Amino acid sequence: AQKITQTQPGMFVQEKEAVTLDCTYDTSDQSYGLFWYKQPSSGEMIFLIYQGSYDEQNATEGRYSLNFQKARKSANLVISASQLGDSAMYFCAMREGLQGAQKLVFGQGTRLTINP
Amino acid sequence: GAVVSQHPSRVICKSGTSVKIECRSLDFQATTMFWYRQFPKQSLMLMATSNEGSKATYEQGVEKDKFLINHASLTLSTLTVTSAHPEDSSFYICSALPLLAGAAGGELFFGEGSRLTVL
Repeated sequence: AQKITQTQPGMFVQEKEAVTLDCTYDTSDQSYGLFWYKQPSSGEMIFLIYQGSYDEQNATEGRYSLNFQKARKSANLVISASQLGDSAMYFCAMREGLQGAQKLVFGQGTRLTINP
Repeated sequence: GAVVSQHPSRVICKSGTSVKIECRSLDFQATTMFWYRQFPKQSLMLMATSNEGSKATYEQGVEKDKFLINHASLTLSTLTVTSAHPEDSSFYICSALPLLAGAAGGELFFGEGSRLTVL
């Protein structure tokens, strides 16, 4: 069964607009971590934001925020004031267990294109 | 921030040859490194977990004799694709977990990736 689901293969947004990238997850663990990574065309994985399952507040990192709805098992990424440089693939990932040695499982990804 | 370096970034080889990809943590020690594989326009799929000083743990469906992983030191893990075939052409990415990683997220650092093309 798919543990991480990203239902938007592609998103097109006008520059300076906000954009929400969807991510739902499936786990029976109480302790887990949720991540978002950005992958530009060069291929490297750039860490954006993290949310722990016990964190009560939504994580924020600059223009990135994570809309964490635990009961719905969703962890959507919100990018405010989008920029042309935000065009890239975005992956949601989950780590079951809070300790770092657990592996990351990635979603299918969403290709975000910012139009000028 | 922490840096993980992969080498080579691109490699083209003939079918039947073996290719070694290195993953180095440049400014931290890593007891655990992960190797991922990414086909074009697809997600990252975990191949194996590499632990320093012990045998790697392979994911289901990954041939351990074909994808040899060695984690001989706290800063280096290598992936060797043996007897490569065109279907092995892919983007291989490693990630490293710092030795002193805490429980919070973001400690997993990724290399730049290595694009393998087998002719």
